[in-house]
Amino acid sequence: GAVVSQHPSRVICKSGTSVKIECRSLDFQATTMFWYRQFPKQSLMLMATSNEGSKATYEQGVEKDKFLINHASLTLSTLTVTSAHPEDSSFYICSARAVLGADYNEQFFGPGTRLTVL
Amino acid sequence: GQNIDQPTEMTATEGAIVQINCTYQTSGFNGLFWYQQHAGEAPTFLSYNVLDGLEEKGRFSSFLSRSKGYSYLLLKELQMKDSASYLCAVMDSNYQLIWGAGTKLIIKP
Repeated sequence: GAVVSQHPSRVICKSGTSVKIECRSLDFQATTMFWYRQFPKQSLMLMATSNEGSKATYEQGVEKDKFLINHASLTLSTLTVTSAHPEDSSFYICSARAVLGADYNEQFFGPGTRLTVL
Repeated sequence: GQNIDQPTEMTATEGAIVQINCTYQTSGFNGLFWYQQHAGEAPTFLSYNVLDGLEEKGRFSSFLSRSKGYSYLLLKELQMKDSASYLCAVMDSNYQLIWGAGTKLIIKP
């Protein structure tokens, strides 16, 4: 099956610093990638939809200047949390949608990145 | 608005059968997904239904009724490792996934 990787899996940083999270589709091309955030005991919250070669579409309430998304290729999207604060501590998960074929309607999830801001 | 409803928590006994229900109201429908999520991990795909009926995959089965906006996930021969949250998600007309809050399933020996 399709594999999506995320790096790093865990990061601890100081308040005010920026953190970059990478999401890669390893064995398929993904025109669309999604970034989610999940707080403890809550469901997934979609932050933004990232399309290769174009600007990301952010959900209401998500600051696009704080959460910078770049989808430069069909296999890589990055999320940069700028000037992170403790309230940004969360579990960040990316998913990728396959381009064509039987897998088109399925999103494949990365393993997630646990961000802790001190 | 769009809405996905599923029970918050369920408890079942090892070896038994449990059914987790999901009802939905969305703008369009392009399929319903069930995911399993263990604490601290990303969701893993369990099933996808786009036509009415039952899809069976080993110990897990998923049912869909589009006219009723209803699905269930059936888990048989429960094992302790099945303790997890089960997320119901519907893909709407824009191919966006609308997520339920998840059902935490607790398995007791």
